[in-house]
Amino acid sequence: NAGVTQTPKFQVLKTGQSMTLQCAQDMNHNSMYWYRQDPGMGLRLIYYSASEGTTDKGEVPDGYNVSRLKKQNFLLGLESAAPSQTSVYFCASSVQSRAEQYFGPGTRLTVT
Amino acid sequence: DAKTTQPTSMDCAEGRAANLPCNHSTISGNEYVYWYRQIHSQGPQYIIHGLKNNETNEMASLIITEDRKSSTLILPHATLRDTAVYYCIVRSTHRDDKIIFGKGTRLHILP
Repeated sequence: NAGVTQTPKFQVLKTGQSMTLQCAQDMNHNSMYWYRQDPGMGLRLIYYSASEGTTDKGEVPDGYNVSRLKKQNFLLGLESAAPSQTSVYFCASSVQSRAEQYFGPGTRLTVT
Repeated sequence: DAKTTQPTSMDCAEGRAANLPCNHSTISGNEYVYWYRQIHSQGPQYIIHGLKNNETNEMASLIITEDRKSSTLILPHATLRDTAVYYCIVRSTHRDDKIIFGKGTRLHILP
């Protein structure tokens, strides 16, 4: 099992550009999550999906959108990137929304 | 979810047991204690969780006090690879609660 994979690993965007971060899991987990982590801080939840086809906002959803069309994939979109979105983004999955979460390796995003 | 309090940082000699404390004095009856760790530049890794009984797995042991107001994560024989930030989280599994990560404890394993 690859577990949770994220693409790309690194990305540099200019202010105003858009992009999609991709997350895939091969553990047949029902729930998936997107977090961001800023230097010296803990993780903050952006959006989560309790099951395929459903999504909910987390602590810091502004400026992002998500899509969970397939059970194994959870996409995070930045519609118009801003320097404040420079961060490391982690995707996670769990067998159900109340279980322990398994994390991907992260995507390091810089917005200039 | 109940809040947790952890020391900012700790040191432990390689080969010794690392004991990481966590205070969760406002924990409620249906909330579990979870531990995760994050090795530098990697995604967080689930370690262990428990409700009221002590738990052990291949990575660590979790000791929860009888009143459940605090707990200790024990890494029995710490290695340099255990240097990481350790997060203690309390979370209900009766609701779709999100994990709230605090700042955790930065554990340094000294050679």
